[in-house]
Amino acid sequence: DADVTQTPRNRITKTGKRIMLECSQTKGHDRMYWYRQDPGLGLRLIYYSFDVKDINKGEISDGYSVSRQAQAKFSLSLESAIPNQTALYFCATSDFSKDTQYFGPGTRLTVL
Amino acid sequence: QKEVEQNSGPLSVPEGAIASLNCTYSDRVSQSFFWYRQYSGKSPELIMSIYSNGDKEDGRFTAQLNKASQYVSLLIRDSQPSDSATYLCAVRRLQGYQKVTFGTGTKLQVIP
Repeated sequence: DADVTQTPRNRITKTGKRIMLECSQTKGHDRMYWYRQDPGLGLRLIYYSFDVKDINKGEISDGYSVSRQAQAKFSLSLESAIPNQTALYFCATSDFSKDTQYFGPGTRLTVL
Repeated sequence: QKEVEQNSGPLSVPEGAIASLNCTYSDRVSQSFFWYRQYSGKSPELIMSIYSNGDKEDGRFTAQLNKASQYVSLLIRDSQPSDSATYLCAVRRLQGYQKVTFGTGTKLQVIP
């Protein structure tokens, strides 16, 4: 089984809808991240969490919110989706003592 | 100036040749450097990390770091068609939460 899973893998929605993307990990890592990837812009950090009670905004948090339900679960919500939030979203985890980030398979989100 | 810069490519090399991928970064307090490989439609996966000046070799891959020039490179020897992917350079700064910043990636094409 994959260490970092994301659901759904693909989602098409309409402008104004609320969307939740979920991430689960079995690596036992404390740190979890949400990124979005757009052509030509690379990976950009949306939110990150170092433990259940520690949540921080990344460089592009506007229009997004997150919830860390447990050490292993980190959800990303789009309260009112807009077309420019169409992107590939990745969840990642890392251990506090190491720098390596482990990515989930990604969620391709399309907002019409 | 972008924090992490890479030529987007594509970089085309014949099978068996050496592929050289380059990355520059702007923040002198950067501490850790990573190369991730990303196949089309897939998630990034770590190839190598390097922390000190000089070369680090792992199989066909060699990472080179020059902190004075703020430059990190990845050499792929005996390039194979399976190496065709986008290569992301990532840099971790020793500041705040030790943010990791990704470059936009260089697309490598290995021609059989």
